[in-house]
Amino acid sequence: AQSVTQLDSQVPVFEEAPVELRCNYSSSVSVYLFWYVQYPNQGLQLLLKYLSGSTLVESINGFEAEFNKSQTSFHLRKPSVHISDTAEYFCAVSRLNFGNEKLTFGTGTRLTIIP
Amino acid sequence: DVKVTQSSRYLVKRTGEKVFLECVQDMDHENMFWYRQDPGLGLRLIYFSYDVKMKEKGDIPEGYSVSREKKERFSLILESASTSQTSMYLCASSLKGGTANEQFFGPGTRLTVL
Repeated sequence: AQSVTQLDSQVPVFEEAPVELRCNYSSSVSVYLFWYVQYPNQGLQLLLKYLSGSTLVESINGFEAEFNKSQTSFHLRKPSVHISDTAEYFCAVSRLNFGNEKLTFGTGTRLTIIP
Repeated sequence: DVKVTQSSRYLVKRTGEKVFLECVQDMDHENMFWYRQDPGLGLRLIYFSYDVKMKEKGDIPEGYSVSREKKERFSLILESASTSQTSMYLCASSLKGGTANEQFFGPGTRLTVL
């Protein structure tokens, strides 16, 4: 079975400062990794995903995440945050190559941007 | 544009009532999921379905049942609502064999049981 740990439940950051949201996972098999974002009063949207290949993946709004197999981590970073980045962020994993596979989610990190 | 819709954004029910939450997707996805979301607990899987009339229990199925009579529709049923079932309920769907099991989510239904 897989598990995901997001150690930080809340992260306050000043506008235009950098941010890192931490995600560690545990699995006995290879996994796919995801970051989802939930803006206030909305459902979850996929932010980015790691499938294979380059360990650094990027989103269209400036976030990036790096897959580190040795540390079993998939931390999310942004060099300069904006007010519009205020949201809750969820890390998730699934096993490779299973078409009906479930996602296992972390408990979420609430990112608050301070003007 | 892909779309998952849920029948209600907000719902208020009384203890003991039977509650139906409906989810519809227009992407011809085989897989559909129901989660509940609670502060500090993240998303927990209640039930999922791989095909019409198929269902499997997730991590917290107690007090819930589901129905999938058509491919595009997945219903969550609370047979006798309790205050402990006050929560945000999220529906999702994914394509069988699709890219890395990516799931698409609806906007959620915030259920309050009084």
